[in-house]
Amino acid sequence: GNSVTQMEGPVTLSEEAFLTINCTYTATGYPSLFWYVQYPGEGLQLLLKATKADDKGSNKGFEATYRKETTSFHLEKGSVQVSDSAVYFCALSDRGAGSYQLTFGKGTKLSVIP
Amino acid sequence: SAVISQKPSRDICQRGTSLTIQCQVDSQVTMMFWYRQQPGQSLTLIATANQGSEATYESGFVIDKFPISRPNLTFSTLTVSNMSPEDSSIYLCSVQGLAGLLYEQYFGPGTRLTVT
Repeated sequence: GNSVTQMEGPVTLSEEAFLTINCTYTATGYPSLFWYVQYPGEGLQLLLKATKADDKGSNKGFEATYRKETTSFHLEKGSVQVSDSAVYFCALSDRGAGSYQLTFGKGTKLSVIP
Repeated sequence: SAVISQKPSRDICQRGTSLTIQCQVDSQVTMMFWYRQQPGQSLTLIATANQGSEATYESGFVIDKFPISRPNLTFSTLTVSNMSPEDSSIYLCSVQGLAGLLYEQYFGPGTRLTVT
């Protein structure tokens, strides 16, 4: 079956530090990959996405590249801000299996301190 | 994208009672999903709700505990029945929409449920 593995949190960084949150996946078909963000007290928002190998998703300074050879979709940001403090979820949707249901990782909590 | 609202946003309930959560979308959608997010955990899919058919439940979730209605293409309800403290979670609805050639899921703000 499908699965998503994220790096364990919590992650605490100083403002303007470089961020990497690792995500690897297992899928039977040809997945699309997503990063969702959940700010405190809110629901999930789609942060970025990639649909095929070597695609790079980007939004709000965050980037992630779909690496089929390593089955990875690591999230990066060059300079984090306090407002980036949130929980980040990696997810996949396996089109090849005929289902558009999302499989989520466990989430990584990021805290950015001034 | 779709704009999704949920009611109530939060509630505190006594064990043994039931709570119905409403999900309203600003456009017609075929597929709606209900998720549970237990404290500090990831999202777990409860069921998929398609208009005009019975909801499809995931392993570990049953209709008697989580009955779902889907009366039209913009609205759904999830009831958490005979609640216990273990049901304390955030319940989120989401809808599937087409963005270009890719299906995406858009989430509501969630309903934060505490069972005492």
